Amino acid sequence: DTAVSQTPKYLVTQMGNDKSIKCEQNLGHDTMYWYKQDSKKFLKIMFSYNNKELIINETVPNRFSPKSPDKAHLNLHINSLELGDSAVYFCASSQGGSRYEQYFGPGTRLTVT
Amino acid sequence: AQKVTQAQTEISVVEKEDVTLDCVYETRDTTYYLFWYKQPPSGELVFLIRRNSFDEQNEISGRYSWNFQKSTSSFNFTITASQVVDSAVYFCALSDPSGGYNKLIFGAGTRLAVHP
Repeated sequence: DTAVSQTPKYLVTQMGNDKSIKCEQNLGHDTMYWYKQDSKKFLKIMFSYNNKELIINETVPNRFSPKSPDKAHLNLHINSLELGDSAVYFCASSQGGSRYEQYFGPGTRLTVT
Repeated sequence: AQKVTQAQTEISVVEKEDVTLDCVYETRDTTYYLFWYKQPPSGELVFLIRRNSFDEQNEISGRYSWNFQKSTSSFNFTITASQVVDSAVYFCALSDPSGGYNKLIFGAGTRLAVHP
């Protein structure tokens, strides 16, 4: 029974396109996150939602728009994709914010050509 | 500002060797939380341990052990009798009030290669 799931696992697209990544957690957690992992494996938070409310937005270009329809879902929409957006995007969830361990999805590898 | 430093970029050992992965953190706060995550070649991120700043007891879990020393702002991770399956990138991370306990700050990771 998957705890945090993401779709799709791989996404290959051309510059200028718009794409979305979906995330769902069945752990009953109240906080969800998006992270970006670059080619050097560096992990950086992008967004954090608590009970559907945006609480962290880490100077991410406004081409990136998260949306949380409910506590169990956090989607990421990216407009006008650029080459530099190529990365692995991880969704995660936790209960009570990041005082507690976060559980990560399998990641979505985005390649922009 | 918060910062996590993992100075060892890559470590290579032979199976059955012991190996220690270093983690040094910076925070101005007295209450904070530290974590270790493992990222095997398959790519997922696996939670290993959480430690709060008031608990300096060392922890052992099978072949894994963690040494938390506030005096040196370090939270080091030791694998005893390493195995090939331990090959992965290991991340140390910090959560503290300056981020509202709403985000993890990750170190750059240490890539561990265990050879047979």
